[in-house]
Amino acid sequence: DGGITQSPKYLFRKEGQNVTLSCEQNLNHDAMYWYRQDPGQGLRLIYYSQIVNDFQKGDIAEGYSVSREKKESFPLTVTSAQKNPTAFYLCASSISRTDEAFFGQGTRLTVV
Amino acid sequence: GDSVTQMEGPVTLSEEAFLTINCTYTATGYPSLFWYVQYPGEGLQLLLKATKADDKGSNKGFEATYRKETTSFHLEKGSVQVSDSAVYFCALSTSGTYKYIFGTGTRLKVLA
Repeated sequence: DGGITQSPKYLFRKEGQNVTLSCEQNLNHDAMYWYRQDPGQGLRLIYYSQIVNDFQKGDIAEGYSVSREKKESFPLTVTSAQKNPTAFYLCASSISRTDEAFFGQGTRLTVV
Repeated sequence: GDSVTQMEGPVTLSEEAFLTINCTYTATGYPSLFWYVQYPGEGLQLLLKATKADDKGSNKGFEATYRKETTSFHLEKGSVQVSDSAVYFCALSTSGTYKYIFGTGTRLKVLA
């Protein structure tokens, strides 16, 4: 079945450490996205990529980095510069600007 | 800029009650409109969509009509079930950008 796979589902990080969240899709979508979700808030865009080897900052990119070396993969690194990294992270992909986005199951990151 | 406003929750209903969740939007051009549903600890799933004015999206008993004149996309269901308890997000996308804009979500709780 086609879809988006995020791993791990739960992740714990010590303060000062970088951590990378995985996102893989087999939908053959060009566009991929990373969103952050905090309790009681909507989704906020971190980064998005329209095509391999290209990506743009979203609304809250500070303290995060991404790469897009393959069409199927769009990993997100949460760096030690992110002041409040504890959140639920959602990866998504879409085939075009006006079609729906497909979401992964999310990764819950907790800083301990 | 583009934005989505949806009614604040939580919304608590008895089983078989009628559901309406209001959503209005601001966008340049002609956006595509979406309703997503999120169950606890999971990613977002597309519930329904509409891509042009007067289109009606429908799925699993839920309906929403794209009203350009009132810039609205209200979600309705004639008879809710306990299993409909979740958070519902209204969203839009436009051809001018790859960004999806989400509302803050409305939590629905259905009591047996």
